[in-house]
Amino acid sequence: EAQVTQNPRYLITVTGKKLTVTCSQNMNHEYMSWYRQDPGLGLRQIYYSMNVEVTDKGDVPEGYKVSRKEKRNFPLILESPSPNQTSLYFCASSLSGTGWAHEQYFGPGTRLTVT
Amino acid sequence: SQQGEEDPQALSIQEGENATMNCSYKTSINNLQWYRQNSGRGLVHLILIRSNEREKHSGRLRVTLDTSKKSSSLLITASRAADTASYFCATDAESGGFKTIFGAGTRLFVKA
Repeated sequence: EAQVTQNPRYLITVTGKKLTVTCSQNMNHEYMSWYRQDPGLGLRQIYYSMNVEVTDKGDVPEGYKVSRKEKRNFPLILESPSPNQTSLYFCASSLSGTGWAHEQYFGPGTRLTVT
Repeated sequence: SQQGEEDPQALSIQEGENATMNCSYKTSINNLQWYRQNSGRGLVHLILIRSNEREKHSGRLRVTLDTSKKSSSLLITASRAADTASYFCATDAESGGFKTIFGAGTRLFVKA
């Protein structure tokens, strides 16, 4: 089954404790992206990747890191989480290197709470 | 940067009625997409309309694009309770490149 998986689905952590949210897709997609969703703000893009070893900032990259060492995986790293990073996070992938040219497939989301 | 903005923010209708949601954007785009999100879950792609297209249909969904007005509309005909969800438009960014910009969404509630 074609899908985007994220882990963990729920995470409660404390300020400053490094964490990684994993994302994996099995569709051989070139484009992968991370979004955060906050009430009333829709989805805001954090980082995206057009292909292996190629990443770029979205609109809200501060406090986040990503890497794309393999085509299928695109982990999101929070080196020192803060309470303002409490949010619902989505990973997505798309066929082409431009996220807007084809439909994006979304993972189920990771609900992160930073206390 | 906010490229797509949906209107209205919330919409409540009776089952069987039509629902229309609008999306406005600021600068020229390559294409525009509509997504649906059931409460707290991942987004599901509905329709992609390219900048040289004016209208697209998919089942009970009809999307129009007016590039002169920089706006798009999503029409859901004969709505069902299962259509209750949030609907988002997404476009490429004002600055071009590879970013994707989502609007804040329209929350649709269909009463049975």
